Amino acid sequence: DIVMSQSPSSLAVSVGEKVTMSCKSSQSLLYSSNQKNYLAWYQQKPGQSPKLLIYWASTRESGVPDRFTGSGSGTDFTLTISSVKAEDLAVYYCQQYYSYPWTFGGGTKLEIK
Amino acid sequence: QVQLQQSGAELVKPGASVKLSCKASGYTFTSYYMYWVKQRPGQGLEWIGEINPSNGGTNFNEKFKSKATLTVDKSSSTAYMQLSSLTSEDSAVYYCTRSGLTGTWFAYWGQGTLVTVSA
Repeated sequence: DIVMSQSPSSLAVSVGEKVTMSCKSSQSLLYSSNQKNYLAWYQQKPGQSPKLLIYWASTRESGVPDRFTGSGSGTDFTLTISSVKAEDLAVYYCQQYYSYPWTFGGGTKLEIK
Repeated sequence: QVQLQQSGAELVKPGASVKLSCKASGYTFTSYYMYWVKQRPGQGLEWIGEINPSNGGTNFNEKFKSKATLTVDKSSSTAYMQLSSLTSEDSAVYYCTRSGLTGTWFAYWGQGTLVTVSA
């Protein structure tokens, strides 16, 4: 199984700050035939279902604000929030869809100071 | 718009089984796999398995192969997951979710069903 590791497990930032969080996979998620990284990011707000933010490591889902940016390739990925809003309070998960079983990282909890 | 409407919360006794439902609307049910994901209280997400509604074919996380059974009713565009031999470890929220257009990311999610296993 591909193990997904996220860091930090939690962080607290002030509104307007830039945030970066990391996701590392135990093997490469880059598929050589199409040069795509098989990684997605989700946001789960308290009491809600997860919401898709990013797929193919950097493609923003329709309707997701452009302050959310996904980057990285191979085994190292980053989710950046350029200017945090209070509504971004949530747990963020990465997920690989390169191979079975589909696996998630343990999450990064974003708190607002 | 795509909607996944899940059945209500369940309180079940240890050793029993429970069958959860997920009614899909807003798209052609047989064109997309349906996935099930487990989330224990305060914990992360685990993929349980998936079903191809067009032919009933399934794939499972090895961890859940003896725990979960996935079925569909094409006539009502509903997916089902039965969980058997329940223990406290099965107390969790269970989500059904549908993939995106061209990859196995989870684009649409149901609201979740809370299963509580308690005597």
